[in-house]
Amino acid sequence: QKEVEQNSGPLSVPEGAIASLNCTYSDRGSQSFFWYRQYSGKSPELIMFIYSNGDKEDGRFTAQLNKASQYVSLLIRDSQPSDSATYLCAGNAGGTSYGKLTFGQGTILTVHP
Amino acid sequence: DAGVIQSPRHEVTEMGQEVTLRCKPISGHDYLFWYRQTMMRGLELLIYFNNNVPIDDSGMPEDRFSAKMPNASFSTLKIQPSEPRDSAVYFCASSKRTGTANGYTFGSGTRLTVV
Repeated sequence: QKEVEQNSGPLSVPEGAIASLNCTYSDRGSQSFFWYRQYSGKSPELIMFIYSNGDKEDGRFTAQLNKASQYVSLLIRDSQPSDSATYLCAGNAGGTSYGKLTFGQGTILTVHP
Repeated sequence: DAGVIQSPRHEVTEMGQEVTLRCKPISGHDYLFWYRQTMMRGLELLIYFNNNVPIDDSGMPEDRFSAKMPNASFSTLKIQPSEPRDSAVYFCASSKRTGTANGYTFGSGTRLTVV
């Protein structure tokens, strides 16, 4: 079992819709979770982080964390074509490997006009 | 802030040759990470350093791979000898403190092609 798993996608949504990206993790010691966006041919860029149960909102983005279910999600409201990218979920390893971020495979999101 | 700087951006080399990838982290960041990204395997952590000391190299695929960080502003990833299956994009990332809002900042990557 991979440590961080994402719904494989690809995900296609119309412009203006809500895009929902999901991620599960296996390491109960993981404390912080990150969402990165990666445009084709570019490097990943951090867009959200969350470490407390519940929701965290930043503009059109909402990250959700449920530690009991070991589940992380990212909602993108009012999706725009410029949101089309690969979204990577990452969690930090617990215990002695605290500094290590493990990434999921990524979900390709396409927002069509 | 110039960000994380990697060189070269692209490298094409013949099988069996030595390849050296370079990284300059963001000043003041005390963690440095080397990742490899392929379509099949996604982003894989190869090795990471804290205060120039290697902490976890369990992701280094074989003895052909080695990494060094001689000082706080420079790191290298070396592959010797290179093989076609090493073809990938190699990212360097740095962080001031992990597990916080800082996350990682990635460099632009080096696209390596071994023919």
